Amino acid sequence: QQQVKQSPQSLIVQKGGISIINCAYENTAFDYFPWYQQFPGKGPALLIAIRPDVSEKKEGRFTISFNKSAKQFSLHIMDSQPGDSATYFCAASMVGGSARQLTFGSGTQLTVLP
Amino acid sequence: DVKVTQSSRYLVKRTGEKVFLECVQDMDHENMFWYRQDPGLGLRLIYFSYDVKMKEKGDIPEGYSVSREKKERFSLILESASTNQTSMYLCASEHPRTGFGYTFGSGTRLTVV
Repeated sequence: QQQVKQSPQSLIVQKGGISIINCAYENTAFDYFPWYQQFPGKGPALLIAIRPDVSEKKEGRFTISFNKSAKQFSLHIMDSQPGDSATYFCAASMVGGSARQLTFGSGTQLTVLP
Repeated sequence: DVKVTQSSRYLVKRTGEKVFLECVQDMDHENMFWYRQDPGLGLRLIYFSYDVKMKEKGDIPEGYSVSREKKERFSLILESASTNQTSMYLCASEHPRTGFGYTFGSGTRLTVV
């Protein structure tokens, strides 16, 4: 049962272009939506995150857009660079049991061509 | 710099073997997690622990167990390894009051033959 659906599975963008990755969720109990970036041979690292009471959050070239009514959120990478080439995971968080748990999307392999 | 260290980067085990994956964090975090990462499936939660000797099942606990005897160490145990447990295993830790940011280890690539 996949609670967070992510697309596309892979994405190729030219240097300087905009990369867009989309995620959709079903469970309205989710209340925190982070994005993780993973380079080959490394574990995922927190990139940026948003709460559902905000429609957009920007950090440098990275922006999350959030649409609560549609239960969708997306990551936009402006002026994409070859160093942004990585796998990106969206996630959703809710309190479950005795600790917050993250449910991850299936990942997007981003390649930025020089 | 905070760290989550997984003891093995690559591991090859035979079917039926008992396998231990070790994870140590130096951040005094209460919460620790084990995920497995498979292409097209993302990261799936196996087990997590919110305190010493405490554990809870995640989404895919079958075939796995865990141990947390000390706060800094969280072990994942494959009681009888099977080929469908060939995967990348990621350990993570989190301080419950710092805002939901997980710190991940670099992963253990386990191959069961």
